[in-house]
Amino acid sequence: NAGVTQTPKFRILKIGQSMTLQCTQDMNHNYMYWYRQDPGMGLKLIYYSVGAGITDKGEVPNGYNVSRSTTEDFPLRLELAAPSQTSVYFCASSYGGGTYNEQFFGPGTRLTVL
Amino acid sequence: ELKVEQNPLFLSMQEGKNYTIYCNYSTTSDRLYWYRQDPGKSLESLFVLLSNGAVKQEGRLMASLDTKARLSTLHITAAVHDLSATYFCAVDSWGKLQFGAGTQVVVTP
Repeated sequence: NAGVTQTPKFRILKIGQSMTLQCTQDMNHNYMYWYRQDPGMGLKLIYYSVGAGITDKGEVPNGYNVSRSTTEDFPLRLELAAPSQTSVYFCASSYGGGTYNEQFFGPGTRLTVL
Repeated sequence: ELKVEQNPLFLSMQEGKNYTIYCNYSTTSDRLYWYRQDPGKSLESLFVLLSNGAVKQEGRLMASLDTKARLSTLHITAAVHDLSATYFCAVDSWGKLQFGAGTQVVVTP
């Protein structure tokens, strides 16, 4: 099992450019999440999904979009990148629902917007 | 809105001594998770606490949950250098986790 994988590991964008951060999990988890972590801070939820075709906003969704066409994949789209989106992005997954919702995290994507 | 507060935010530990990190949260939940993050790395799950009074131990770390007090503690026994990292608690709210700001732990000789 590879667990949760993310690509790319690092990326530098210019203001106004767009990109997609990829996230794949091979644990057959229903729930998937995108977080951002700013330096010295905790994690903030951007978007999450409880299954293929179902997505919902988290705490900081502005400037981002997601889709979930398969159980395995949950890409995060940045449109019109801004310096405020400079951060480390983590994807996570969990079985979801019920009483057990331990999330497993990918290695992260470090994004700089200049 | 669920708020999760950790304290302290920074903890300088001496090797061999005992310390405690506190995690307070503002609304009812009986599911709490502790994670560890090394610099530049991802989050690693440490403990899953699923009920009032739950206690989990792994090596020098012990976590407990008091849902009535809305408090979890992470106790470190006889700190060693390898425990230097940032520790996060996260409270489950309707399938989403609300993270605390993290406690940066530095262990020195």
